[in-house]
Amino acid sequence: SQKIEQNSEALNIQEGKTATLTCNYTNYSPAYLQWYRQDPGRGPVFLLLIRENEKEKRKERLKVTFDTTLKQSLFHITASQPADSATYLCALPGGYKLIFGSGTRLLVRP
Amino acid sequence: KAGVTQTPRYLIKTRGQQVTLSCSPISGHRSVSWYQQTPGQGLQFLFEYFSETQRNKGNFPGRFSGRQFSNSRSEMNVSTLELGDSALYLCASSSIPSGGDNEQFFGPGTRLTVL
Repeated sequence: SQKIEQNSEALNIQEGKTATLTCNYTNYSPAYLQWYRQDPGRGPVFLLLIRENEKEKRKERLKVTFDTTLKQSLFHITASQPADSATYLCALPGGYKLIFGSGTRLLVRP
Repeated sequence: KAGVTQTPRYLIKTRGQQVTLSCSPISGHRSVSWYQQTPGQGLQFLFEYFSETQRNKGNFPGRFSGRQFSNSRSEMNVSTLELGDSALYLCASSSIPSGGDNEQFFGPGTRLTVL
């Protein structure tokens, strides 16, 4: 069955550094992949979508890569700020629905 | 444009009771998906409705049900509540059916606590 893996351990980095989060998937060839941000007690908020024929996508300080050979997406936040602290979820389409990874918590220290 | 709204925001019930949660999607969106989120299981898909029809259902028992009205508002119902049903219930709306390359707009969720 389809499986999505995100690092369950929190990522703790210093303000100003680049945060890199990983999303791996197996038994799967998705046409696209999405990234969401979720703050405690709130619903996820869409950030970026990248299609299988796109290697990289950028939006302000965010960058997403999609390697269909490695079955992996990397999510980068450059010049990170304490306000970037949140849980980041990747999501892939599967059978008429979105399947979400368990998310990685990012903590940016001032 | 108003976002997705969910009511109530918080709910406390006891085992064996039933509960109904409501979701109003963004105006013009006809797809509503429901998710259960718990610390241990993450975001789990419950079901999706599009134009009043259930398109897909996740791996949950029959105690979990839903429906969608002609104005696209959706309700989900959980009968015979169990302690394990305590979770954040999220609904998400979209302009096209889930699974297409469209973003999902999530509501703030309903925090259900079962005692």
